[in-house]
Amino acid sequence: DAGVIQSPRHEVTEMGQEVTLRCKPISGHDYLFWYRQTMMRGLELLIYFNNNVPIDDSGMPEDRFSAKMPNASFSTLKIQPSEPRDSAVYFCASSPAKLGGRETQYFGPGTRLLVL
Amino acid sequence: DQQVKQNSPSLSVQEGRISILNCDYTNSMFDYFLWYKKYPAEGPTFLISISSIKDKNEDGRFTVFLNKSAKHLSLHIVPSQPGDSAVYFCAASDSGGGADGLTFGKGTHLIIQP
Repeated sequence: DAGVIQSPRHEVTEMGQEVTLRCKPISGHDYLFWYRQTMMRGLELLIYFNNNVPIDDSGMPEDRFSAKMPNASFSTLKIQPSEPRDSAVYFCASSPAKLGGRETQYFGPGTRLLVL
Repeated sequence: DQQVKQNSPSLSVQEGRISILNCDYTNSMFDYFLWYKKYPAEGPTFLISISSIKDKNEDGRFTVFLNKSAKHLSLHIVPSQPGDSAVYFCAASDSGGGADGLTFGKGTHLIIQP
């Protein structure tokens, strides 16, 4: 099992550019989550999907952020236009279908984004 | 307003001794709690969890204690080993409320001294 795969691992871009982060969840997992980690706010949930459908995007900071899950094996998080305050580590996680509401989430290695 | 708080940013413990990491929460709807461990340049990895119907869960060297009345949980590692040096995140969820995402604390950096 390859685990959750994220790409790129590192991204450096200039303010105003579009950034696309990619995630491949663990095969068979029904849930996919996007988190962001910053020094100030720690790890915070941005959005999550269940069976490819966005369920809760209340954590998405602004309209500049969007996420899609076109199929069960792929998701993207897009920032357009990017700003320096978007610099953070972005994690994707997946989990199996909920049994009694308690399932472990498995995290990818993260994408370290730096916006200059 | 942080709903999950880890008030110690770092903790240094001697190898072989017990490490105790603490976590407090404010949301009384949380009913499932997890600890994740994170090494540099890696994603968090699941360590141990506890449901609110229990007050203790043990897995090898790791034990999590839950005090619901105090809204407090702790992770005990005994004996501590050099490989335990990492950042530990406490996380919580409200599994019955339809919200599936985890709420994390800011983490505690555990350093095991040889």
